[in-house]
Amino acid sequence: KAGVTQTPRYLIKTRGQQVTLSCSPISGHRSVSWYQQTPGQGLQFLFEYFSETQRNKGNFPGRFSGRQFSNSRSEMNVSTLELGDSALYLCASSLARGHLNTEAFFGQGTRLTVV
Amino acid sequence: DAKTTQPNSMESNEEEPVHLPCNHSTISGTDYIHWYRQLPSQGPEYVIHGLTSNVNNRMASLAIAEDRKSSTLILHRATLRDAAVYYCILRDQNTDKLIFGTGTRLQVFP
Repeated sequence: KAGVTQTPRYLIKTRGQQVTLSCSPISGHRSVSWYQQTPGQGLQFLFEYFSETQRNKGNFPGRFSGRQFSNSRSEMNVSTLELGDSALYLCASSLARGHLNTEAFFGQGTRLTVV
Repeated sequence: DAKTTQPNSMESNEEEPVHLPCNHSTISGTDYIHWYRQLPSQGPEYVIHGLTSNVNNRMASLAIAEDRKSSTLILHRATLRDAAVYYCILRDQNTDKLIFGTGTRLQVFP
């Protein structure tokens, strides 16, 4: 079956702009989480969505937001981009949530460069 | 969020067993121990997870200390394809949030 699909794979934006990243989870998966990976901070949790509701949020400013649609696809948005937002953004999907969850499947990520 | 501590790097020769340690002294009763690995230029990949008992799957084995304050990921015969960063993660059973540490970079030599 198809894996987690993230689009676009690469993106270059200018400071001050906004960006929207997309994640299509594995068919049937209802839980989607987002992570930011940078050389300095490593992998950091951004958000977790289940059934179109944000269930958890990491320690990121309000410029980072997300949503999940009824088909479980998810988008994350970053407004007023800063140079420090340059990172690999990873999406992970899971079949269920909480104690029923066993593993998360990650996409290959979107590489965002802010210039 | 509970934290994990892992060595920054480890080395192994091909076809030898590898034991990757992880300390998690602040683990709570509802935390599962998960291991993921990240190969170069790829997203993290699930390896194994457990709660209290040792676990085996086709990729690896997970040995969990009796007090659950530490665990060890065991790769029985390392291959060159096992070269990756291995993350030990505690996940609360009530959320899907994975809190990654710095991980252990495993180098495998032929």
